[in-house]
Amino acid sequence: AQSVSQHNHHVILSEAASLELGCNYSYGGTVNLFWYVQYPGQHLQLLLKYFSGDPLVKGIKGFEAEFIKSKFSFNLRKPSVQWSDTAEYFCAVNARGGSQGNLIFGKGTKLSVKP
Amino acid sequence: NAGVTQTPKFRILKIGQSMTLQCTQDMNHNYMYWYRQDPGMGLKLIYYSVGAGITDKGEVPNGYNVSRSTTEDFPLRLELAAPSQTSVYFCASSRSGTDNQPQHFGDGTRLSIL
Repeated sequence: AQSVSQHNHHVILSEAASLELGCNYSYGGTVNLFWYVQYPGQHLQLLLKYFSGDPLVKGIKGFEAEFIKSKFSFNLRKPSVQWSDTAEYFCAVNARGGSQGNLIFGKGTKLSVKP
Repeated sequence: NAGVTQTPKFRILKIGQSMTLQCTQDMNHNYMYWYRQDPGMGLKLIYYSVGAGITDKGEVPNGYNVSRSTTEDFPLRLELAAPSQTSVYFCASSRSGTDNQPQHFGDGTRLSIL
């Protein structure tokens, strides 16, 4: 069965600090990978996604993620965080070739950015 | 651009009561999903639907029922509310179930069972 692990439950950074949130998945086949963000009181929004091609994916708001197949990882990065990046971040995966489209989510990482 | 609309936003129920969480989307998406989000647990899939008239169980379906009579609507029903069903419920939709279709989420329904 697929599973997704997010290593950090809560990350606290000061503005302008660099961010890296870890995500590892377990699945032997080919996967599609997603990062979603949930701002306080809002619904989940897609940050970025990886299906194929360049393993370094750029998303909205200056976020990027790198797919490292050998490590089963899809870590999220941002060079310089802002207070407005305070949110909860979810990594998700679905198996390539699946017909249901349902995502397996990690437990989420809460990011707090201090002004 | 309504997207995915959920009602109500908040609800408090007594144990044993029933209610229906409404979800509608205006994007003509075939696939719709119901998730529950518990603190520190991420999102768990309750039920999903690949089109009108077709539904299937997800990871945590017990205590819930769904129907999909139209493409737009995918209501979630709780027949006998239990404290374990206190959670935030999210409805989502996607154009298809193929791999590269991201899901669009509603704003959620915060449900408390007392």
